[in-house]
Amino acid sequence: DAGVTQSPTHLIKTRGQQVTLRCSPKSGHDTVSWYQQALGQGPQFIFQYYEEEERQRGNFPDRFSGHQFPNYSSELNVNALLLGDSALYLCASSPPGTDPYEQYFGPGTRLTVT
Amino acid sequence: GEDVEQSLFLSVREGDSSVINCTYTDSSSTYLYWYKQEPGAGLQLLTYIFSNMDMKQDQRLTVLLNKKDKHLSLRIADTQTGDSAIYFCAESPRTALIFGKGTTLSVSS
Repeated sequence: DAGVTQSPTHLIKTRGQQVTLRCSPKSGHDTVSWYQQALGQGPQFIFQYYEEEERQRGNFPDRFSGHQFPNYSSELNVNALLLGDSALYLCASSPPGTDPYEQYFGPGTRLTVT
Repeated sequence: GEDVEQSLFLSVREGDSSVINCTYTDSSSTYLYWYKQEPGAGLQLLTYIFSNMDMKQDQRLTVLLNKKDKHLSLRIADTQTGDSAIYFCAESPRTALIFGKGTTLSVSS
């Protein structure tokens, strides 16, 4: 059973460009959350998708948007990239109806903005 | 507000016990979590504790929770070099995880 997968592994973009990151959840999971981890910091919550809708959002600007597809996979889009957007972007998936609410993380996409 | 604080660095010798401490702010968190991150990797869920428990033991891991002081600790018994990693404490007042900055554990042989 594959875990959470993310693509691409690494990405280099130029300031002002747009980027799309992809995530496939673990089999049987229906909720996807995205986190940004800057170097030397803990992950920060960006948003969470459930039933193809954004269920909860962290303190990130509208340049950060997402989507969830009917097969539960998800995309994170970032527009007008800034140097400060350079980070490891982590996707986490969660199974339905569990208590506690467990999140399983993928290996991340390393984004470098130059 | 939501904030999780951790000490940044801990160094121990192989075979010793390690204790990583964390303080959190949101008393509405039903569960508190410990995650491990190895270099270049994502986060691995190590263990969690329900907020009405004082202690949870899971093999070499012991979690202690002082809800009055909002203090959480993770004890790793018989620490091995393979335990070298960054350890994150996280609270979860809703469905999002709120992480600390992480404690880097260095284990020397």
